[in-house]
Amino acid sequence: KQEVTQIPAALSVPEGENLVLNCSFTDSAIYNLQWFRQDPGKGLTSLLLIQSSQREQTSGRLNASLDKSSGRSTLYIAASQPGDSATYLCAVRHNAGNMLTFGGGTRLMVKP
Amino acid sequence: GAVVSQHPSRVICKSGTSVKIECRSLDFQATTMFWYRQFPKKSLMLMATSNEGSKATYEQGVEKDKFLINHASLTLSTLTVTSAHPEDSSFYICSARDPRQGQNEQFFGPGTRLTVL
Repeated sequence: KQEVTQIPAALSVPEGENLVLNCSFTDSAIYNLQWFRQDPGKGLTSLLLIQSSQREQTSGRLNASLDKSSGRSTLYIAASQPGDSATYLCAVRHNAGNMLTFGGGTRLMVKP
Repeated sequence: GAVVSQHPSRVICKSGTSVKIECRSLDFQATTMFWYRQFPKKSLMLMATSNEGSKATYEQGVEKDKFLINHASLTLSTLTVTSAHPEDSSFYICSARDPRQGQNEQFFGPGTRLTVL
């Protein structure tokens, strides 16, 4: 059974800092990995999707990497802003099916 | 990206009543939609996979008679919480995969907050 873990569970940083969120998964037979953002009481916004054959994806100030063999992904946020405050979730899609397995999320607070 | 909507966004009901939540893909046809449940400050747990024109596939531990899923068209899936009880209070989120994007990325609805009194 796939298990996805995110560390840290919560993070508070001053505005302008670069930061890294970590995601690890136990079964490396994944189809892809997706990073989401969730604001309080809201749905999920897809940030980046990395195919199993890729090593990284970039969108603006966000960069996600994938090391499938070690079961790890990182989300790098450059020059953080208060508007980045949210919960960040990673989810993996297994080769064998359609379902996504989610990590517990990292609650990020960027202080002005 | 593709747009998925949910209705209602928030519902409060009395214990014992049934509540229907709709999930719509607005600009694409989704043969498969997914229903998730999220408890406060917890991650999403997949409840069931909704397949257009056939029975839903439920995850282990999810009561199919309690959570009725109907995927009657390519743009609409409904989740009905039957005889709701306070422990059913939760945030329910649906998602759909846009087939135009190679069956890869899932797009999520805004969620429905259910409170059972």
